[in-house]
Amino acid sequence: AQSVAQPEDQVNVAEGNPLTVKCTYSVSGNPYLFWYVQYPNRGLQFLLKYITGDNLVKGSYGFEAEFNKSQTSFHLKKPSALVSDSALYFCAPARGSGAGSYQLTFGKGTKLSVIP
Amino acid sequence: DAGVTQSPTHLIKTRGQQVTLRCSPKSGHDTVSWYQQALGQGPQFIFQYYEEEERQRGNFPDRFSGHQFPNYSSELNVNALLLGDSALYLCASSPTGWGKDTGELFFGEGSRLTVL
Repeated sequence: AQSVAQPEDQVNVAEGNPLTVKCTYSVSGNPYLFWYVQYPNRGLQFLLKYITGDNLVKGSYGFEAEFNKSQTSFHLKKPSALVSDSALYFCAPARGSGAGSYQLTFGKGTKLSVIP
Repeated sequence: DAGVTQSPTHLIKTRGQQVTLRCSPKSGHDTVSWYQQALGQGPQFIFQYYEEEERQRGNFPDRFSGHQFPNYSSELNVNALLLGDSALYLCASSPTGWGKDTGELFFGEGSRLTVL
């Protein structure tokens, strides 16, 4: 079984400031972890993933995430927020293996608002 | 290169009716997954199709069924609609096979179903 928690429904940050969107997870076995972003009335877009390797994962649009096994966390970060980053962000652990069988479990999402 | 396309984009049904949603995967992708996203919630996994068979299924009743065609396109069918089936239905595609599968799902923009 796998589960995910995004403790903040909304995060507000000023443009140019660093941002963090928090995620904790619970999975059996080795975790596969993903971040997706959803803009209003749109589908989800892949940001980044952790499968194995370095704990700091770099992704699209300047985002990165830090995998912390002891704290079972996978927080999303960006050094300098843009107004265009305002969207709904989803953390998702996945069950499956590298054979196309990934089944993602999405959290409720965190709404990020970047204030000009 | 067209991404994942879904149809229809919006539709309204009444309780007890049946609905069929359609999805064309991204070129080169042979695996299709369906997710249900209720208002204010994260997407919930319904099922996944590969080689015209249901490979994985989430916690959804048998009223939800699907099909995959030889060209990899897919349909989601929901029978005996309930008010609670109102949601955004998302299709996601991915390639299967060692070396092909990066874990990234490509999502369509969804079909918004309203049940009255």
